[in-house]
Amino acid sequence: AQTVTQSQPEMSVQEAETVTLSCTYDTSESNYYLFWYKQPPSRQMILVIRQEAYKQQNATENRFSVNFQKAAKSFSLKISDSQLGDTAMYFCAYAYYNNNDMRFGAGTRLTVKP
Amino acid sequence: NAGVMQNPRHLVRRRGQEARLRCSPMKGHSHVYWYRQLPEEGLKFMVYLQKENIIDESGMPKERFSAEFPKEGPSILRIQQVVRGDSAAYFCASSTRPGTGDSPLHFGNGTRLTVT
Repeated sequence: AQTVTQSQPEMSVQEAETVTLSCTYDTSESNYYLFWYKQPPSRQMILVIRQEAYKQQNATENRFSVNFQKAAKSFSLKISDSQLGDTAMYFCAYAYYNNNDMRFGAGTRLTVKP
Repeated sequence: NAGVMQNPRHLVRRRGQEARLRCSPMKGHSHVYWYRQLPEEGLKFMVYLQKENIIDESGMPKERFSAEFPKEGPSILRIQQVVRGDSAAYFCASSTRPGTGDSPLHFGNGTRLTVT
């Protein structure tokens, strides 16, 4: 079974600084996808970034980047130049290529302080 | 370019009543997924549907829960005889193709069900 673990229930960062959120997962598959979703107080689930396991290059989206370590089954999210609007719950998620069941971690609550 | 639309946003039901949650997928999306989020937890998969077919309901409780996605109209998640443990946020997501890997899910804003 695939499981996703986020070991940091809560984190905080000063505005304009950098923060890294951790995620590890367990799978026996070689071809899969990893995601980070953001859930602000509005409750909407917003896709932040996506990584394909067969690509060695780490995905980046503006201020968001990942450190994907396939052998270690680690998928951390780095947020640079943190902004107040980044305050939210962040969920790491795993999806096998042909699976209908996306697995989510328990989430990390990030607070950006002014 | 409307996203995934869920209604109602909040739903309060007394124990024993029925709850009906609606989801209209994004335009052009024919694959719908329902997830449940308990307080302080991540989302848990419930069911995956295509038009008029349930493809995977491995995450659905065996009793009281059902889902449909008719040829016309929104997808419906129905919970009969609700109990307090059903209180949660229920999210709908849609995609253009089957398989969540290479076709990322687009989520709605969720319906928060409170059972009193």
